[in-house]
Amino acid sequence: DADVTQTPRNRITKTGKRIMLECSQTKGHDRMYWYRQDPGLGLRLIYYSFDVKDINKGEISDGYSVSRQAQAKFSLSLESAIPNQTALYFCATSSGRDTGELFFGEGSRLTVL
Amino acid sequence: GDSVTQMEGPVTLSEEAFLTINCTYTATGYPSLFWYVQYPGEGLQLLLKATKADDKGSNKGFEATYRKETTSFHLEKGSVQVSDSAVYFCALSDENTNAGKSTFGDGTTLTVKP
Repeated sequence: DADVTQTPRNRITKTGKRIMLECSQTKGHDRMYWYRQDPGLGLRLIYYSFDVKDINKGEISDGYSVSRQAQAKFSLSLESAIPNQTALYFCATSSGRDTGELFFGEGSRLTVL
Repeated sequence: GDSVTQMEGPVTLSEEAFLTINCTYTATGYPSLFWYVQYPGEGLQLLLKATKADDKGSNKGFEATYRKETTSFHLEKGSVQVSDSAVYFCALSDENTNAGKSTFGDGTTLTVKP
């Protein structure tokens, strides 16, 4: 099984719908992140959390919210999805105790019609 | 703030050709530098890393040297294979100046033809 698991892997939804992307990890890491990938734009940080009680906005947090339910779980929500939120979303973890290496899930492809 | 600039793609090479993907960075501190690879349909995975100046990271025939004087971390491989076709991301992370958040380049798509 993957160390960082994202669900769903693919989702098609309509404008205005609420969507939740879930991430769980078995690496025992304290730090978790949500990134968005768009073609030609690399990865952009949406939100990050360094422990269960710590939530921080990244560079593109508008239109998104997160919940850190436990050390192992970090969910990303789109309260009212819009077409320009169509993208590939990645959850990642890091231990915070070494060089900053990130461990990624396989991604959740979201299409908003 | 910190930034990473990497060579624009896409890059198309024939099998056994030499590969260079350029990466330069701007950082206020002394970051760790990374190359991540994303194979089709998969998430990113670490390819190699270097944590201080003059360190050389290497893995699977790929190499990159942390050059502080030129603020660069260019990725090289002497002989590419079809299986190296992927998107490559250069990234940096600095615990002291950016709370450990990683900054990524835009990615370079490599296609290797038989």
